[in-house]
Amino acid sequence: QLVQSGAEVKKPGSSVKVSCMASGGTFSSFGISWVRQAPGHGLEWMGGIIPIFGTTNYAQKFQGRVTVTADEYTSTAYMELSSLRSEDTAVYYCARGFGNYYGTFDIWGQGTRVTVAS
Amino acid sequence: DIQMTQSPSSLSASVGDRVTITCQASQDINNYLNWYQQKPGKAPKLLIYDASNLETGVPSRFSGSGSGTDFTFTISSLQAEDVATYYCQHYDNVPRGGVTFGPGTKLDFK
Repeated sequence: QLVQSGAEVKKPGSSVKVSCMASGGTFSSFGISWVRQAPGHGLEWMGGIIPIFGTTNYAQKFQGRVTVTADEYTSTAYMELSSLRSEDTAVYYCARGFGNYYGTFDIWGQGTRVTVAS
Repeated sequence: DIQMTQSPSSLSASVGDRVTITCQASQDINNYLNWYQQKPGKAPKLLIYDASNLETGVPSRFSGSGSGTDFTFTISSLQAEDVATYYCQHYDNVPRGGVTFGPGTKLDFK
């Protein structure tokens, strides 16, 4: 199970950091990705990490603005998004990835609502 | 980057109907294609992985097929609880685009 941190309200230009804890065990050999969904819109992959290797991959759209990290000791992954703008208002999900390129997501967090408003 | 299209964008069906959704990739993606179900206010749920493999615990009325650029998702007999939005999703190494979701198909009752 993946348990995410609570809702956030942020001002434009600030940063937000969302956590995702794997309860009941460690990350083992899986990846953790972050996917967001703006109100009334579809799913958008932002990037991910493979904790046992420490490698990260980011969608080109978010390069330079998103940072994904992981703490294997606490089985917690983090996603930090900077330079927030109103268009970043969305629900942010973490998801466990397996298989080729860790690109199949079988377990999802409950989602964290981030609202960007002045 | 590889683009994913889905059709239809929405459809209405009745309980017991056979429902088919298609997903097309802009280039050959082998079988790197998954299908998810998302109900309002909930996280997506994996149904089919690698084009045709049924995820553990998912009812057998759900199925997937295809390879290359054209893929199909089928519900053999629609049930009340299947009302949701369905997304196809392609995955690849990051230089080839990483993870891409289709735009979704919203399924409701006629």
